[in-house]
Formats: sequence, C-alpha cells, structure tokens
Amino acid sequence: AQSVTQLGSHVSVSEGALVLLRCNYSSSVPPYLFWYVQYPNQGLQLLLKYTSAATLVKGINDFEAEFKKSETSFHLTKPSAHMSDAAEYFCAVTSYSGAGSYQLTFGKGTKLSVIP
Amino acid sequence: EAQVTQNPRYLITVTGKKLTVTCSQNMNHEYMSWYRQDPGLGLRQIYYSMNVEVTDKGDVPEGYKVSRKEKRNFPLILESPSPNQTSLYFCASSWGLAGGPKYEQFFGPGTRLTVL
Repeated sequence: AQSVTQLGSHVSVSEGALVLLRCNYSSSVPPYLFWYVQYPNQGLQLLLKYTSAATLVKGINDFEAEFKKSETSFHLTKPSAHMSDAAEYFCAVTSYSGAGSYQLTFGKGTKLSVIP
Repeated sequence: EAQVTQNPRYLITVTGKKLTVTCSQNMNHEYMSWYRQDPGLGLRQIYYSMNVEVTDKGDVPEGYKVSRKEKRNFPLILESPSPNQTSLYFCASSWGLAGGPKYEQFFGPGTRLTVL
C-alpha cells in the first residue's frame, strides 16, 4: 500500500519569496514520485518527477524537488514565487502493486496563493 | 498534437439516467485511468487499464464501469448515477507495461458532472 501526505492545504507566499510545498509518502517498495500542477479550470500537468536517478530533480518554471529516502519526503521548492505560480499542486507516488500492475496515488493537494 | 480528449466537458443529469463519458488518447499509450477530483480529497482513482481488455479497480470504483476494447479509448460508464457522483472527472494515459510506474500520466481537460 502507498499513501501521500501534503502538509498544508493552503500556502500563501509573497511575490519573490521562496516557495516550499511539503510532501511525505509511504511505500513498501521503491517509489516513483511526481509533482503535478493544476491551474484554474484546467487539467493536471507534470512539473517534475523522480525515477531513482538523481535525488535533486529539476522541473519546469524553476521548480525543483529533492528526494530524501530517510525522511520519506519529496518537497517542492522554487526560489522566487511569481504571480503565475498561483495554482493547486499535487504530489503523487506510484509503485508496482503486484502482477505487473501499478497505481498512482495522489495527495490531497496544496493550493498556492501568491501575494503581490 | 499529442493529447487526451474527454467528452462531454460539462454534463448535468438526473439520478438514475445512465451516462457515458468518453476518453480517447492519440499517443499509443498502454495505460489509461479515470480519476475523480473532489474539494479537499484530491484525486482518487476510479479504474485503470494496463492494456486492451485489462481493467482493474482503483480506490473508489463503486457505481462505475469501464471497458477497454480499443487501445485509444477508455469510456467511463455510470449506469445509475447518484448525487454523490457529482464531481470533476479526469481521464489520463501513460506508457505502461515493464517500465510503467516511472512514466508520467497525461491528463485530459476534465468533465464536470452534476447529478440532480
């Protein structure tokens, strides 16, 4: 079984400030981890993913995330928030669930507001 | 253009009236999946399909049916919709099989369903 916990359903930052969105996961097998972003009235799009290569993963729009196995975390950061970053962010984990199948499990999401 | 399409985008119906939401992808992906998104609950997987004629339940399959007769299509069927199925639904697709879990999912634009 696997699960994802996102700490904070709403996060507000000032424009230009550091963005930190937290994600912790549990998985009994090596996980693959993803961050997706959902802009208002749109579907989800991939920001970045961890697939057991480098532990520091860079994504689009200057976002990055670090996989820390000891902390079972995959927090998302961006050095300087922009107004266009206002959106909902979802952390997700996937791993094999047996018999060659797998499932993607999402966290409940964190809505990011950027204050001018 | 590589994409996942869903139809209809918006649907208002009444309790008990059977409906189908279509999903189609043009990327030759093996893996397809349906999710529902509800405020505060994130995305929850309804059903997924590893390949043609192979489907399996996700976390919230009750009240839904799916079929995968062709690789590109994965319709979601609500045989007797109820108000608690009012939600935003997303279809997604991905490369599957051996390397499946490490590949990101591509999402459709969503279908907003209201059951009165």
